[in-house]
Amino acid sequence: KNEVEQSPQNLTAQEGEFITINCSYSVGISALHWLQQHPGGGIVSLFMLSSGKKKHGRLIATINIQEKHSSLHITASHPRDSAVYICAVRSGGQGGSEKLVFGKGTKLTVNP
Amino acid sequence: DGGITQSPKYLFRKEGQNVTLSCEQNLNHDAMYWYRQDPGQGLRLIYYSQIVNDFQKGDIAEGYSVSREKKESFPLTVTSAQKNPTAFYLCASSIGLLSYEQYFGPGTRLTVT
Repeated sequence: KNEVEQSPQNLTAQEGEFITINCSYSVGISALHWLQQHPGGGIVSLFMLSSGKKKHGRLIATINIQEKHSSLHITASHPRDSAVYICAVRSGGQGGSEKLVFGKGTKLTVNP
Repeated sequence: DGGITQSPKYLFRKEGQNVTLSCEQNLNHDAMYWYRQDPGQGLRLIYYSQIVNDFQKGDIAEGYSVSREKKESFPLTVTSAQKNPTAFYLCASSIGLLSYEQYFGPGTRLTVT
């Protein structure tokens, strides 16, 4: 079982819809990242959070540490939101060093 | 503009050849990372460097080598020993090691035939 699981793997929506992408993890973490990867391959960091909720424009990220679960919400989705959204968790590695563990990503397509 | 540059965007090599991927940052970040991305898989850490002249193996370092002679530069060499080198390679940097947000470069797609 992967340490970081994202759902759904693929998501198709109509412009204007409310989008939710989920991330569950099985390890203790110190922080969780949400990243956005556009078709060209470049990755942009959207959020880094360790508790509660963060909002940036139409994007909202929440995390529940007890349930080991995070969600990324997109309000009023737009075709330009089409991308792969990646969840990554920062957890303790071997010898006490931390590392980032990445989910496989959720591919979002927003149709006009 | 501050950022991370990777070159080239696409790279083609014959099997058995070593190839070096470039990564440069002008963000004044101490930490730099190399990741590999394969279809249907999450990013995997190849090597990372916390400071100049120091670097550590990540989860999949076999068949790769790096150097960190300058703060701004962290080149990755894919050697002929890497069994499946065809992949998308991403370089990233952060202010400090792992405790901070990582900034990613545009990536290099390497195809070895």
